[in-house]
Amino acid sequence: GENVEQHPSTLSVQEGDSAVIKCTYSDSASNYFPWYKQELGKGPQLIIDIRSNVGEKKDQRIAVTLNKTAKHFSLHITETQPEDSAVYFCAARPTGGGNKLTFGTGTQLKVEL
Amino acid sequence: GAVVSQHPSRVICKSGTSVKIECRSLDFQATTMFWYRQFPKQSLMLMATSNEGSKATYEQGVEKDKFLINHASLTLSTLTVTSAHPEDSSFYICSAKTQGVDQPQHFGDGTRLSIL
Repeated sequence: GENVEQHPSTLSVQEGDSAVIKCTYSDSASNYFPWYKQELGKGPQLIIDIRSNVGEKKDQRIAVTLNKTAKHFSLHITETQPEDSAVYFCAARPTGGGNKLTFGTGTQLKVEL
Repeated sequence: GAVVSQHPSRVICKSGTSVKIECRSLDFQATTMFWYRQFPKQSLMLMATSNEGSKATYEQGVEKDKFLINHASLTLSTLTVTSAHPEDSSFYICSAKTQGVDQPQHFGDGTRLSIL
């Protein structure tokens, strides 16, 4: 089955700096890669996703890149703000996997003033 | 759009009781719903997948008689933790998606279950 690794587990940046979180996956059949933001005591919220037919997608301060050959994808947050502080999860969904997502282990992002 | 409502947000009950958690899609038809369990500072662990009108598919190691799932309509799925014990205490989260391979999963805000 699919295995998703996520790094780093914790990330601390200064407000205004950029933050990068990286994930690798094992199943070359995976074709959909969402990123979720989870605030304390809440459920995960979809912030951006990418499909395997594109290499990069951007939405304001958030961007995701995908390298299918290397089987890794990354989340980039620019001009970080304190409200970006949360746990971020990457996930992968293999083709024919019954719509199931395999999640990474999460990254605790802290944006310091 | 794509709002998933989960209720209750928190429940505390005595050991041996059964607890029902509801998951509703408010503005879309949820042909597939998922139930996850999350331990503190850990990732989401999929418990089961349910398709409307069908029996749920449980992940390996999840007791189907312990965690009863019903998905009787396109907007509602329920998870019942039967005869709950302290080790069942956890954060339970549902997600829902509409039909189509390109559709994302949208999550509820979770239920904090505490068994005394």
